[in-house]
Amino acid sequence: DAKTTQPPSMDCAEGRAANLPCNHSTISGNEYVYWYRQIHSQGPQYIIHGLKNNETNEMASLIITEDRKSSTLILPHATLRDTAVYYCIVRVGGGGSNYKLTFGKGTLLTVNP
Amino acid sequence: EAGVAQSPRYKIIEKRQSVAFWCNPISGHATLYWYQQILGQGPKLLIQFQNNGVVDDSQLPKDRFSAERLKGVDSTLKIQPAKLEDSAVYLCASSLSFTLEEKLFFGSGTQLSVL
Repeated sequence: DAKTTQPPSMDCAEGRAANLPCNHSTISGNEYVYWYRQIHSQGPQYIIHGLKNNETNEMASLIITEDRKSSTLILPHATLRDTAVYYCIVRVGGGGSNYKLTFGKGTLLTVNP
Repeated sequence: EAGVAQSPRYKIIEKRQSVAFWCNPISGHATLYWYQQILGQGPKLLIQFQNNGVVDDSQLPKDRFSAERLKGVDSTLKIQPAKLEDSAVYLCASSLSFTLEEKLFFGSGTQLSVL
Protein backbone atom coordinates (compact mmCIF):
# COMPACT_ATOMS: atom_id res chain seq x y z
CA ASP A 1 0.00 0.00 0.00
CA ALA A 2 1.26 3.47 -0.80
CA LYS A 3 1.46 5.46 2.42
CA THR A 4 1.00 9.17 2.84
CA THR A 5 2.75 11.74 5.00
CA GLN A 6 0.99 14.90 6.12
CA PRO A 7 1.89 17.61 8.63
CA PRO A 8 -0.07 17.11 11.85
CA SER A 9 -1.38 20.67 11.92
CA MET A 10 -1.54 23.92 9.95
CA ASP A 11 -3.02 27.37 10.46
CA CYS A 12 -4.58 29.64 7.89
CA ALA A 13 -6.10 33.12 8.03
CA GLU A 14 -9.73 33.45 7.04
CA GLY A 15 -10.10 34.52 3.41
CA ARG A 16 -6.65 33.35 2.44
CA ALA A 17 -5.79 30.24 0.46
CA ALA A 18 -5.04 27.11 2.46
CA ASN A 19 -2.45 24.82 0.88
CA LEU A 20 -2.30 21.37 2.43
CA PRO A 21 0.64 19.19 1.36
CA CYS A 22 0.81 15.42 1.13
CA ASN A 23 3.71 13.13 0.28
CA HIS A 24 3.03 9.74 -1.32
CA SER A 25 6.40 8.77 -2.74
CA THR A 26 5.57 5.06 -3.15
CA ILE A 27 2.35 5.55 -5.09
CA SER A 28 1.71 3.12 -7.93
CA GLY A 29 0.62 4.05 -11.43
CA ASN A 30 -2.98 3.00 -11.01
CA GLU A 31 -3.56 4.47 -7.55
CA TYR A 32 -5.64 7.57 -7.07
CA VAL A 33 -5.09 10.35 -4.55
CA TYR A 34 -8.19 11.14 -2.51
CA TRP A 35 -8.86 13.92 -0.06
CA TYR A 36 -11.50 13.79 2.65
CA ARG A 37 -12.08 16.10 5.58
CA GLN A 38 -13.69 15.59 8.95
CA ILE A 39 -15.29 18.44 10.81
CA HIS A 40 -15.59 17.96 14.56
CA SER A 41 -18.31 15.46 15.56
CA GLN A 42 -19.14 14.61 11.96
CA GLY A 43 -18.19 11.78 9.62
CA PRO A 44 -15.57 12.32 6.93
CA GLN A 45 -16.65 14.21 3.82
CA TYR A 46 -15.30 13.63 0.32
CA ILE A 47 -13.52 16.63 -1.19
CA ILE A 48 -11.75 15.66 -4.39
CA HIS A 49 -9.65 12.97 -6.05
CA GLY A 50 -7.22 12.65 -8.95
CA LEU A 51 -4.87 10.34 -10.77
CA LYS A 52 -2.35 12.40 -12.76
CA ASN A 53 -3.92 15.67 -13.81
CA ASN A 54 -4.80 18.60 -11.64
CA GLU A 55 -8.45 18.64 -10.62
CA THR A 56 -10.83 21.37 -9.49
CA ASN A 57 -14.35 21.29 -8.15
CA GLU A 58 -16.58 23.60 -6.18
CA MET A 59 -14.79 22.79 -2.94
CA ALA A 60 -11.10 22.72 -3.77
CA SER A 61 -8.28 22.19 -6.23
CA LEU A 62 -5.89 19.27 -6.27
CA ILE A 63 -2.41 19.73 -7.66
CA ILE A 64 -0.44 16.51 -8.29
CA THR A 65 3.25 16.72 -9.16
CA GLU A 66 4.38 15.28 -12.46
CA ASP A 67 6.19 12.37 -10.75
CA ARG A 68 3.03 11.83 -8.62
CA LYS A 69 5.09 11.61 -5.44
CA SER A 70 3.29 14.48 -3.78
CA SER A 71 0.15 16.56 -4.02
CA THR A 72 -1.37 19.73 -2.60
CA LEU A 73 -4.97 20.39 -1.71
CA ILE A 74 -5.89 24.05 -2.15
CA LEU A 75 -8.86 25.72 -0.50
CA PRO A 76 -8.85 29.04 -2.38
CA HIS A 77 -10.64 31.20 0.19
CA ALA A 78 -10.67 29.48 3.57
CA THR A 79 -13.53 30.18 5.96
CA LEU A 80 -13.96 29.33 9.63
CA ARG A 81 -16.18 26.40 8.55
CA ASP A 82 -13.17 24.84 6.81
CA THR A 83 -11.56 24.12 10.18
CA ALA A 84 -11.29 20.32 10.12
CA VAL A 85 -8.94 17.35 9.88
CA TYR A 86 -7.94 16.80 6.26
CA TYR A 87 -7.01 13.30 5.15
CA CYS A 88 -4.88 12.54 2.11
CA ILE A 89 -5.43 8.93 1.05
CA VAL A 90 -3.99 6.79 -1.69
CA ARG A 91 -6.65 4.35 -2.66
CA VAL A 92 -5.49 0.75 -2.84
CA GLY A 93 -6.86 -1.22 -5.70
CA GLY A 94 -6.30 -3.69 -8.49
CA GLY A 95 -6.94 -7.35 -9.16
CA GLY A 96 -10.34 -7.78 -7.62
CA SER A 97 -9.45 -6.21 -4.30
CA ASN A 98 -11.77 -4.00 -2.39
CA TYR A 99 -10.27 -0.58 -3.17
CA LYS A 100 -9.79 -0.03 0.53
CA LEU A 101 -9.88 3.56 1.78
CA THR A 102 -7.24 3.64 4.54
CA PHE A 103 -7.12 6.78 6.67
CA GLY A 104 -4.03 8.12 8.41
CA LYS A 105 -4.03 10.79 11.10
CA GLY A 106 -4.46 13.68 8.66
CA THR A 107 -3.74 17.39 9.05
CA LEU A 108 -5.71 19.52 11.48
CA LEU A 109 -6.34 22.78 9.62
CA THR A 110 -7.34 25.66 11.85
CA VAL A 111 -8.73 28.72 10.09
CA ASN A 112 -8.31 31.82 12.23
CA PRO A 113 -10.42 34.99 12.03
CA GLU B 1 -30.98 13.58 -0.92
CA ALA B 2 -31.04 11.91 2.50
CA GLY B 3 -27.66 11.01 3.89
CA VAL B 4 -26.42 7.96 5.76
CA ALA B 5 -28.48 7.54 8.92
CA GLN B 6 -27.00 6.07 12.09
CA SER B 7 -28.42 5.42 15.52
CA PRO B 8 -28.03 5.83 18.38
CA ARG B 9 -25.91 8.97 18.36
CA TYR B 10 -24.39 8.18 21.76
CA LYS B 11 -24.19 5.03 23.86
CA ILE B 12 -22.69 4.41 27.29
CA ILE B 13 -22.33 0.85 28.57
CA GLU B 14 -20.30 -1.05 31.10
CA LYS B 15 -17.62 -3.51 30.06
CA ARG B 16 -18.85 -7.00 29.27
CA GLN B 17 -22.24 -5.67 28.19
CA SER B 18 -23.45 -5.94 24.61
CA VAL B 19 -24.34 -3.11 22.26
CA ALA B 20 -25.71 -2.74 18.73
CA PHE B 21 -25.47 0.05 16.20
CA TRP B 22 -27.75 0.57 13.25
CA CYS B 23 -27.03 2.10 9.85
CA ASN B 24 -29.30 2.95 6.94
CA PRO B 25 -27.26 3.83 3.84
CA ILE B 26 -28.22 6.21 1.07
CA SER B 27 -30.97 4.71 -1.06
CA GLY B 28 -29.60 2.65 -3.91
CA HIS B 29 -26.08 2.38 -2.53
CA ALA B 30 -24.80 -1.16 -2.95
CA THR B 31 -21.68 -0.92 -0.82
CA LEU B 32 -21.73 -0.37 2.93
CA TYR B 33 -18.78 0.10 5.30
CA TRP B 34 -18.32 0.13 9.05
CA TYR B 35 -15.35 2.08 10.42
CA GLN B 36 -14.04 2.45 13.96
CA GLN B 37 -12.46 5.76 14.95
CA ILE B 38 -10.54 5.94 18.20
CA LEU B 39 -9.94 9.43 19.59
CA GLY B 40 -7.04 11.15 17.84
CA GLN B 41 -6.80 8.62 15.03
CA GLY B 42 -8.22 8.27 11.55
CA PRO B 43 -11.09 5.87 10.88
CA LYS B 44 -10.19 2.19 10.56
CA LEU B 45 -12.21 -0.10 8.31
CA LEU B 46 -13.89 -2.94 10.19
CA ILE B 47 -16.06 -4.54 7.53
CA GLN B 48 -17.27 -3.89 4.00
CA PHE B 49 -20.43 -5.26 2.38
CA GLN B 50 -21.32 -5.43 -1.26
CA ASN B 51 -25.12 -5.79 -1.26
CA ASN B 52 -25.61 -8.40 1.49
CA GLY B 53 -22.27 -10.16 1.04
CA VAL B 54 -19.07 -9.49 3.00
CA VAL B 55 -16.19 -8.20 0.85
CA ASP B 56 -13.63 -7.56 3.57
CA ASP B 57 -13.78 -8.25 7.31
CA SER B 58 -10.06 -8.77 7.85
CA GLN B 59 -9.86 -6.14 10.62
CA LEU B 60 -13.06 -7.09 12.42
CA PRO B 61 -12.39 -8.67 15.86
CA LYS B 62 -14.64 -11.61 15.16
CA ASP B 63 -14.50 -12.99 18.69
CA ARG B 64 -16.62 -10.07 19.87
CA PHE B 65 -17.78 -8.06 16.85
CA SER B 66 -20.39 -9.14 14.34
CA ALA B 67 -22.18 -7.36 11.53
CA GLU B 68 -24.96 -8.17 9.15
CA ARG B 69 -26.68 -6.57 6.23
CA LEU B 70 -29.82 -8.51 5.63
CA LYS B 71 -31.65 -7.78 2.37
CA GLY B 72 -28.71 -5.66 1.24
CA VAL B 73 -30.04 -2.41 2.69
CA ASP B 74 -29.57 -1.43 6.32
CA SER B 75 -26.95 -2.94 8.58
CA THR B 76 -26.31 -3.70 12.24
CA LEU B 77 -22.94 -3.85 13.99
CA LYS B 78 -22.85 -5.65 17.33
CA ILE B 79 -20.25 -5.90 20.07
CA GLN B 80 -20.57 -8.68 22.63
CA PRO B 81 -19.01 -8.49 25.16
CA ALA B 82 -17.63 -4.94 25.07
CA LYS B 83 -14.17 -4.07 26.34
CA LEU B 84 -12.81 -0.74 27.52
CA GLU B 85 -10.74 -0.42 24.34
CA ASP B 86 -13.90 -0.51 22.22
CA SER B 87 -14.63 3.07 23.26
CA ALA B 88 -14.68 4.88 19.94
CA VAL B 89 -16.90 6.44 17.28
CA TYR B 90 -18.40 3.88 14.94
CA LEU B 91 -18.94 5.29 11.49
CA CYS B 92 -21.07 3.86 8.75
CA ALA B 93 -20.47 4.80 5.12
CA SER B 94 -22.00 3.83 1.80
CA SER B 95 -21.13 4.16 -1.86
CA LEU B 96 -23.13 3.70 -5.01
CA SER B 97 -21.04 0.85 -6.30
CA PHE B 98 -17.74 -0.92 -5.83
CA THR B 99 -15.24 0.79 -8.08
CA LEU B 100 -11.94 2.52 -7.61
CA GLU B 101 -13.33 6.01 -8.18
CA GLU B 102 -16.44 5.70 -6.07
CA LYS B 103 -16.99 8.30 -3.35
CA LEU B 104 -17.90 7.24 0.16
CA PHE B 105 -20.63 9.06 2.06
CA PHE B 106 -20.38 8.87 5.84
CA GLY B 107 -22.92 9.14 8.60
CA SER B 108 -22.28 11.18 11.75
CA GLY B 109 -21.39 8.07 13.73
CA THR B 110 -22.27 6.50 17.07
CA GLN B 111 -20.04 7.50 19.96
CA LEU B 112 -19.56 4.53 22.29
CA SER B 113 -18.20 4.87 25.79
CA VAL B 114 -17.37 1.65 27.64
CA LEU B 115 -16.96 2.14 31.39
